[in-house]
Amino acid sequence: DTAVSQTPKYLVTQMGNDKSIKCEQNLGHDTMYWYKQDSKKFLKIMFSYNNKELIINETVPNRFSPKSPDKAHLNLHINSLELGDSAVYFCASSQTRQGGYGYTFGSGTRLTVV
Amino acid sequence: DAKTTQPTSMDCAEGRAANLPCNHSTISGNEYVYWYRQIHSQGPQYIIHGLKNNETNEMASLIITEDRKSSTLILPHATLRDTAVYYCIASIKAAGNKLTFGGGTRVLVKP
Repeated sequence: DTAVSQTPKYLVTQMGNDKSIKCEQNLGHDTMYWYKQDSKKFLKIMFSYNNKELIINETVPNRFSPKSPDKAHLNLHINSLELGDSAVYFCASSQTRQGGYGYTFGSGTRLTVV
Repeated sequence: DAKTTQPTSMDCAEGRAANLPCNHSTISGNEYVYWYRQIHSQGPQYIIHGLKNNETNEMASLIITEDRKSSTLILPHATLRDTAVYYCIASIKAAGNKLTFGGGTRVLVKP
């Protein structure tokens, strides 16, 4: 039973398209995150939701819009895709009281924009 | 969050202990030291964390110096499956905190 699952695992799309990545966690955690890992392998946080409320919004183009319909889901919608959006996107979840040791990451979505 | 500094890469022999250093000279009193690792193409995986005491679990040991300015992650008997990028992160344990990943140490375990 996968704890944090992301779909799709791979996504190849053309510039200018709009796409979504979905994330679901079955751990009962109250906080979910989106991280981006670029070609240089740096992991950068993009967004964080706690109990469906946006609490972290790093400097990310407004083409990226997260949506959390409930505590167990955090989706990422990207409009007008650009070549520079190509990266691996990781979803993660944690329970607030556990702090930094409670992060569980998904296996990633590799987005390639052509 | 305090900045951490790690060597870019290191090799170790299979079956031997791997000692991974991390400097966090500006760490504040309420910041924990967390270690995560990322095996190729997978999501990061939690290893261990500590505040000031040494910690041990089934995966590794964490040794934190008395002044808390540096720490060492010890993998007691490295296996080929331990080949990964290891991240040392200093962060508070509070609601809304975020884990900020640096460059990490690329560890290659050789037979």
